[in-house]
Amino acid sequence: DQQVKQNSPSLSVQEGRISILNCDYTNSMFDYFLWYKKYPAEGPTFLISISSIKDKNEDGRFTVFLNKSAKHLSLHIVPSQPGDSAVYFCAARRNNNDMRFGAGTRLTVKP
Amino acid sequence: KAGVTQTPRYLIKTRGQQVTLSCSPISGHRSVSWYQQTPGQGLQFLFEYFSETQRNKGNFPGRFSGRQFSNSRSEMNVSTLELGDSALYLCASSPTGLNEKLFFGSGTQLSVL
Repeated sequence: DQQVKQNSPSLSVQEGRISILNCDYTNSMFDYFLWYKKYPAEGPTFLISISSIKDKNEDGRFTVFLNKSAKHLSLHIVPSQPGDSAVYFCAARRNNNDMRFGAGTRLTVKP
Repeated sequence: KAGVTQTPRYLIKTRGQQVTLSCSPISGHRSVSWYQQTPGQGLQFLFEYFSETQRNKGNFPGRFSGRQFSNSRSEMNVSTLELGDSALYLCASSPTGLNEKLFFGSGTQLSVL
């Protein structure tokens, strides 16, 4: 069962513009959400997280927004840079249960 | 601090064989999780171990098994390999496994011929 969904397999943006990656989840018990970034031939690396008690968390160029009523979160990257080109995974978990991942969105930032 | 180490990096096996993958977590991390990554499927959760006990399990057949040792190192075993088992297997560790980020290794790329 796909409890975490990333419906856009790919996204292409121009350098300097905003990248918005979206994620939907079905399990209302999730209370911790994360974004990971993955380059080819490497493991995913943690980017940013948000607890369900918040609706926004910011870290430099990266901001994650959480809309609990819509069961939706998004990652904003501003400004986008060519080095941001990678696959981005959305993840969610609750308490000590396993972390569930989406299928990923491939972001391409064009110079 | 050394990161999560997975060995081997690449593996080629034939159908019907069995394989064992190894993972050394970050020092001090007691939770180890295993994931399977295939194109278009994202990361599928296999299982999680904490203090040598399997704490969570995903929806994979019994051919997939794992264990964790007292030093938190973990192994994953796949028996009677099938072509569909070809994937990148990722190991991740965290201090307690409770609402915290996971630290991933670079993975083991398994090809089943």
